[in-house]
Amino acid sequence: EVQLVESGGDLVQPGGSLRLSCAASGFTFTTSAMSWVRQTPGKGLEWVSAISGSGGSTYYADTVKGRFTISRDNSKNTLYLHMNSLRAEDTAVYYCAKWGTAGWYNSWGQGTLVTVSS
Amino acid sequence: EIVMTQSPATPSVSPGERATLSCRASQSVSSNLAWYQQKPGQAPRLLIYGASTRATGIPARFSGSGSGTEFTLTISSLQSEDFAVYYCQQYNNWPQTFGQGTKVEIK
Repeated sequence: EVQLVESGGDLVQPGGSLRLSCAASGFTFTTSAMSWVRQTPGKGLEWVSAISGSGGSTYYADTVKGRFTISRDNSKNTLYLHMNSLRAEDTAVYYCAKWGTAGWYNSWGQGTLVTVSS
Repeated sequence: EIVMTQSPATPSVSPGERATLSCRASQSVSSNLAWYQQKPGQAPRLLIYGASTRATGIPARFSGSGSGTEFTLTISSLQSEDFAVYYCQQYNNWPQTFGQGTKVEIK
């Protein structure tokens, strides 16, 4: 059974930094592309970033480009999202999600809440 | 960026009735469209990918159709567990984008 477990969400001040983690199990992590998707009540679901199975290719939404970095440690079956220069509008539940064959998501974690506020 | 527009926003449907949800893309996404179901406090769950292929374990009452810019998710006979929010997602172009969601409510 595929399991994705996010952690690292917290309350952080504007301008601060945070690292989210997603521990994966139940599938071959090293060959699976992964993404981070966030959800806010006002803006719904928003794709944030994606990374190939090898980690050699990464993609970012314009709203986070230059501030967020996606990475993975295939030896630990773990996906990361390093978030810098956080803004109030980054407040959301962050999900890690596993790609299907193309760009749909066939498995999601339970989400971790990031709140950016002073 | 491709904008995905879902309609109606909040249909009210009686159990056992058919529900038809629409998703329109601002430009063609071919058949690279997925549908998800989300219940309160839960992550989204994949229902349909490739516009019309049901994901593993999804009941046959869920069906998807369409290509290009117009897509439909049909729930043939609504069960109590189907009252939820439904999202479409295009993955034809970067960035991937989602619709704003359709909340299916009990009539």
